[in-house]
Amino acid sequence: DQQVKQNSPSLSVQEGRISILNCDYTNSMFDYFLWYKKYPAEGPTFLISISSIKDKNEDGRFTVFLNKSAKHLSLHIVPSQPGDSAVYFCAASDINSGYALNFGKGTSLLVTP
Amino acid sequence: DTAVSQTPKYLVTQMGNDKSIKCEQNLGHDTMYWYKQDSKKFLKIMFSYNNKELIINETVPNRFSPKSPDKAHLNLHINSLELGDSAVYFCASSQDRGGARVNEQFFGPGTRLTVL
Repeated sequence: DQQVKQNSPSLSVQEGRISILNCDYTNSMFDYFLWYKKYPAEGPTFLISISSIKDKNEDGRFTVFLNKSAKHLSLHIVPSQPGDSAVYFCAASDINSGYALNFGKGTSLLVTP
Repeated sequence: DTAVSQTPKYLVTQMGNDKSIKCEQNLGHDTMYWYKQDSKKFLKIMFSYNNKELIINETVPNRFSPKSPDKAHLNLHINSLELGDSAVYFCASSQDRGGARVNEQFFGPGTRLTVL
């Protein structure tokens, strides 16, 4: 029973444009959400997070939006750069899970020049 | 000055063997984790551990056991390896649960285990 879902396995975007990666979750107890970026043969790297008490968090080119009523979050990358090409994992946690992260299956982003 | 390191990076072994994967973090974190990424690229928590509590994902077979000689290390021991254990195993760490940054986990580079 996958509690965090990323329904788009891949996304291709032109350099300079906006990349939007989506994530849905089913567990209403989740209170913290994170996005990780992963390159091949490396571990996931923390990118940005958001608490359930907020609906938006911005860090440079990266913005995460949270819609609690829809149990949906999204990551916006503006402007997209070729170096952003990687697999992006959405993750969620709650105190009941001991803060272990529940990951989606990832979305592979390709930014083309 | 790698924050979270794992050894070995690759491990190829026969079914039935016992093996260990080592993990070390130099971030001063109190909580460490083991995750498994299977062939479908799905990352799943196996264990979380700090000096007070071990939380085990109920789906993890008891052939898997974490061992922590000290706060900076959490090794993963696997007994009687099976074909289905083939995966990439990631170690991670984070601040103590009481900390504000507890949710941000730092991952090691992964160990690719292949069981023949």
